[in-house]
Amino acid sequence: KAGVTQTPRYLIKTRGQQVTLSCSPISGHRSVSWYQQTPGQGLQFLFEYFSETQRNKGNFPGRFSGRQFSNSRSEMNVSTLELGDSALYLCASSLGQGAGNTEAFFGQGTRLTVV
Amino acid sequence: QKEVEQDPGPLSVPEGAIVSLNCTYSNSAFQYFMWYRQYSRKGPELLMYTYSSGNKEDGRFTAQVDKSSKYISLFIRDSQPSDSATYLCAMTHLTGRRALTFGSGTRLQVQP
Repeated sequence: KAGVTQTPRYLIKTRGQQVTLSCSPISGHRSVSWYQQTPGQGLQFLFEYFSETQRNKGNFPGRFSGRQFSNSRSEMNVSTLELGDSALYLCASSLGQGAGNTEAFFGQGTRLTVV
Repeated sequence: QKEVEQDPGPLSVPEGAIVSLNCTYSNSAFQYFMWYRQYSRKGPELLMYTYSSGNKEDGRFTAQVDKSSKYISLFIRDSQPSDSATYLCAMTHLTGRRALTFGSGTRLQVQP
C-alpha cells in the first residue's frame, strides 16, 4: 500500500515569491492535514481538508492557503514568501471520520528554503 | 505554557537499555495519544496509537497513558542503534479543532 507522497522534496524560493506544494494521501483516506515544522516552534497545524472542504484551520496568516481535489489530493500555497516561512512542510493523511481521523500518517515532507 | 511538554534531550543510552520517554499535557479533553519517530530529514513515522488511559504493547514498544495525571510514556526495550531518532508525542480529541498537538520531541541516541 503506497504511503503519503509529497512533491517536491526540496524547494528554494526568493522572498516575495509564491509556492505550491502537493500531497497525495494514502488510498481511501479522505482527510489531509498540513503541518509546518521548524526547529524553534516544532510541528504546528496549518489546516485540514476533508472531502474538498477546509474543516479546520490553525493560527497562520492568510498567505497560507490550501485546497483539496475530488481524488483527495491536496495542495498548499504560500504567497508573498517571507524568510520565516523556511521550514519542513508535512502532509498527514487519515481516514477522516470518527476516531479514524486521529490516526494520521505523514509524508516525507517538502523542505522549503526562502532566500 | 505549552499544551504539551516534552523534554528535548538529548537522551543517550547504551545499546540494550530500556528507554523511557515522557510527555505531560494540560488539556483534559485529549483522548487520543500517539508516538511518532522521526529520523533526520524524514517525515514522522507513527509508532503507537492509544485511546484514553491504559497500556498498549507492540513488539519492543509499550505506550502508557495516565489521564488522571495527564502523563504519557513510551518505553523501548532492548534499544538498538537504529532507534536513534527524535521521538514526538502527539494528542488530539474529537471535538473542536481536530488537529494533532505535538510535543517538541526528544532526541534519543543509542550508543553501540
